[in-house]
Amino acid sequence: AQRVTQPEKLLSVFKGAPVELKCNYSYSGSPELFWYVQYSRQRLQLLLRHISRESIKGFTADLNKGETSFHLKKPFAQEEDSAMYYCALRTKPGAGSYQLTFGKGTKLSVIP
Amino acid sequence: DAGVTQSPTHLIKTRGQHVTLRCSPISGHKSVSWYQQVLGQGPQFIFQYYEKEERGRGNFPDRFSARQFPNYSSELNVNALLLGDSALYLCASSLVGLAGASYEQYFGPGTRLTVT
Repeated sequence: AQRVTQPEKLLSVFKGAPVELKCNYSYSGSPELFWYVQYSRQRLQLLLRHISRESIKGFTADLNKGETSFHLKKPFAQEEDSAMYYCALRTKPGAGSYQLTFGKGTKLSVIP
Repeated sequence: DAGVTQSPTHLIKTRGQHVTLRCSPISGHKSVSWYQQVLGQGPQFIFQYYEKEERGRGNFPDRFSARQFPNYSSELNVNALLLGDSALYLCASSLVGLAGASYEQYFGPGTRLTVT
């Protein structure tokens, strides 16, 4: 069975400091990984996916199959980055099938 | 487009009762998924429906059921409610492309269910 682990429940950093949110996964198939973010009083939204290899709001994440990791990084934290971050693994049991397995989430708090 | 909408926003039920939660997907989205998010945990997959057929089921008891209507809206039903069913229930919709390729899931605001 697939599993996503986010080891830190809470991460506090100072504004301007680098940020790294850790995510490890366990899956026997070919992984497809995502980071979702939930700002205060807002709905869950996609931040980025490993397939597109894009940078959103200064965040990047690289899939490391050897270490089964997909850590989220940003070189300089901003106060508006404070939010709940979830790492998710997508499995596709069949055509038209779409299932996300989420980690427990990491709350990022950026201190002014 | 208002995005994915869910109703009701909040709900309080008693143990043993039944509850129905509703979800309207983004226009054009034919896939709807349901997730349960218990406080302090990430969302947990319950069901996925595509073209009115169940395409996936998570590790939930048979008390949980769902269906999708011809207009692609969906209902999640939970029977014989337990205290442990108290959670935020999220609905997500997505496009499904050629050969069944799925795209980004868009989440609704959720329904907060409290079982007393």
